[in-house]
Amino acid sequence: SQQGEEDPQALSIQEGENATMNCSYKTSINNLQWYRQNSGRGLVHLILIRSNEREKHSGRLRVTLDTSKKSSSLLITASRAADTASYFCATYPPFGNEKLTFGTGTRLTIIP
Amino acid sequence: DTEVTQTPKHLVMGMTNKKSLKCEQHMGHRAMYWYKQKAKKPPELMFVYSYEKLSINESVPSRFSPECPNSSLLNLHLHALQPEDSALYLCASSRPGPVGRGNTIYFGEGSWLTVV
Repeated sequence: SQQGEEDPQALSIQEGENATMNCSYKTSINNLQWYRQNSGRGLVHLILIRSNEREKHSGRLRVTLDTSKKSSSLLITASRAADTASYFCATYPPFGNEKLTFGTGTRLTIIP
Repeated sequence: DTEVTQTPKHLVMGMTNKKSLKCEQHMGHRAMYWYKQKAKKPPELMFVYSYEKLSINESVPSRFSPECPNSSLLNLHLHALQPEDSALYLCASSRPGPVGRGNTIYFGEGSWLTVV
């Protein structure tokens, strides 16, 4: 079963613009992670934010977490064609098993 | 580049065949995973091995049989599959964390399985 839902399901923007994706989840979490998947390839870990953190940066990525609203957002600034991919949020339950559950994903297309 | 290696990259098998998917990692990780992903859907967890013991089976049909021969290898044995089992099968690994930790998972490139 899926823990998270992401919106939008698909997003197309011009190169150089910023892209924002949102993730909502249902149960309490230990941490929330974002992954990228190029078409037909494996997933690549982007960033992890713990439940006691509100914001985290990594290069052109900015992630926020609002545990009261059970939501997170991923902002990619100054987008590039190479950012075209599907982006998934993923969560662990708070009590420590290794069950990482993925959200529905956002398909991002960067138009050159 | 991924440090989790999956073979084969593509597999076509008949419904009566027996085949295996293989996965290898040399990062010293002691948790390994199989995920299944259908087109335009998120990955769905199938199995988790922790310290070479099966710790999670997400009610996967017995026609899928996982095996962890050692800490670096993970296999998925396939037998009597159905066409609806056609999907991308992703292997992954991580360091098992303390209770409640939840670590980063490293994925392989996947094995595309087609059942005919």
